[in-house]
Amino acid sequence: DVKVTQSSRYLVKRTGEKVFLECVQDMDHENMFWYRQDPGLGLRLIYFSYDVKMKEKGDIPEGYSVSREKKERFSLILESASTNQTSMYLCASSFLDGNYGYTFGSGTRLTVV
Amino acid sequence: QKEVEQNSGPLSVPEGAIASLNCTYSDRVSQSFFWYRQYSGKSPELIMSIYSNGDKEDGRFTAQLNKASQYVSLLIRDSQPSDSATYLCAVRGDSSYKLIFGSGTRLLVRP
Repeated sequence: DVKVTQSSRYLVKRTGEKVFLECVQDMDHENMFWYRQDPGLGLRLIYFSYDVKMKEKGDIPEGYSVSREKKERFSLILESASTNQTSMYLCASSFLDGNYGYTFGSGTRLTVV
Repeated sequence: QKEVEQNSGPLSVPEGAIASLNCTYSDRVSQSFFWYRQYSGKSPELIMSIYSNGDKEDGRFTAQLNKASQYVSLLIRDSQPSDSATYLCAVRGDSSYKLIFGSGTRLLVRP
């Protein structure tokens, strides 16, 4: 069963902490994406990567960075967590042309206190 | 700005009825179209994809695409309470691997 796995389902962090969210896919997908989803705001793209060590900013990259050292792993880093980063974070992956849609991980609900 | 528009709902239908979910998109050269189902607190799950004009059926689900009208819809026949979820429409443009997502339509199936 092919999968996108996010390391944590629920996470609680303190303001100012550095937070790492990990995502691993076993589908040999070239593309990987990080979204956040908030009520009434839909899915918002934070960063995406189309190859190892390659990354591009999405619509809301401020306060975030990413790392892709291996094809199957894409990490989202909150440099200094703030309460307005409390959200559901979704990782997704796809083949290079995106023609078969995205496969999403189960999500990480992050609360920053 | 490429956009995908959906009515936020909720769309309320009785059990056993046909639920019709609609989506319009602005990029005329869009090539691939997807419907995702998202239960509350869960992640989106791909349920249908459609690439050419017309209808595509999969069980109780039918996706309909009209590129001339820039319109894609999802019909759910014999709706069940377990179909209650938010349905996201997503569109892939020409020469782009990025999907543009609509904000979703919340469907409520009443027993």
